[in-house]
Amino acid sequence: EVQLVESGGGLVQPGGSLRLSCAASGFTFSSYWMCWVRQAPGKGLEWLGNIRQDGSEVQYLDPVKGRFTISRDNARNLVYLQMNSLRVEDTAVYYCVTTSRDRSWDFWGQGALVTVSS
Amino acid sequence: DVVMTQSPLSLPVTLGQPASISCRSSQTLVDSDGNIYFNWFQQRPGQSPRRLIYKISNRDSGVPDRFSGSGSGTDFTLEISRVEAEDVGVYYCMQGTLWPWTFGQGTKVEIK
Repeated sequence: EVQLVESGGGLVQPGGSLRLSCAASGFTFSSYWMCWVRQAPGKGLEWLGNIRQDGSEVQYLDPVKGRFTISRDNARNLVYLQMNSLRVEDTAVYYCVTTSRDRSWDFWGQGALVTVSS
Repeated sequence: DVVMTQSPLSLPVTLGQPASISCRSSQTLVDSDGNIYFNWFQQRPGQSPRRLIYKISNRDSGVPDRFSGSGSGTDFTLEISRVEAEDVGVYYCMQGTLWPWTFGQGTKVEIK
């Protein structure tokens, strides 16, 4: 059974940093792109970024480029979202996702709530 | 960025009756490999999103066959042939062809 479990969420002040982790299990982690998607309270979905299987390519949404970093550890089946210079508008539930555009493969974690507030 | 526009944004439905959601993209979604990476997602209350349909009309594993997707060019449709109580939630269209991948605003489906 595929499982994605996010951790590391919490309350942080504006300008602060936080690192989310996503522990993957139940599939060959190193064979899949991994992604992060967020959802502000009561709002829609926003696809933040993707990281290639070997970590050699990472894509970012413009509003987080330069502030957020996606990385992965294939030996430990972990993907990370390092968030720096956090803003109030970054308050959201952050989902870890593995997906394939071409076939029936799409799994989401339960989400981690990040609240940016003073 | 590609703008995805859904309609309606609210859809009251009767149990057992059909329902339809439309999505229009601001530009064509044909990838360089010839595929159109257009998807539909369902988010039930209090749950993580779940993909229902990929590449316009392909159902993901475990998705009931009452869900179907269609479309071409810039216009796409999700149809539920007979709405059941478990279908309540918000439905999002999403394009995965052009970066950044973008979602529609969401359509809230509720039972009348």
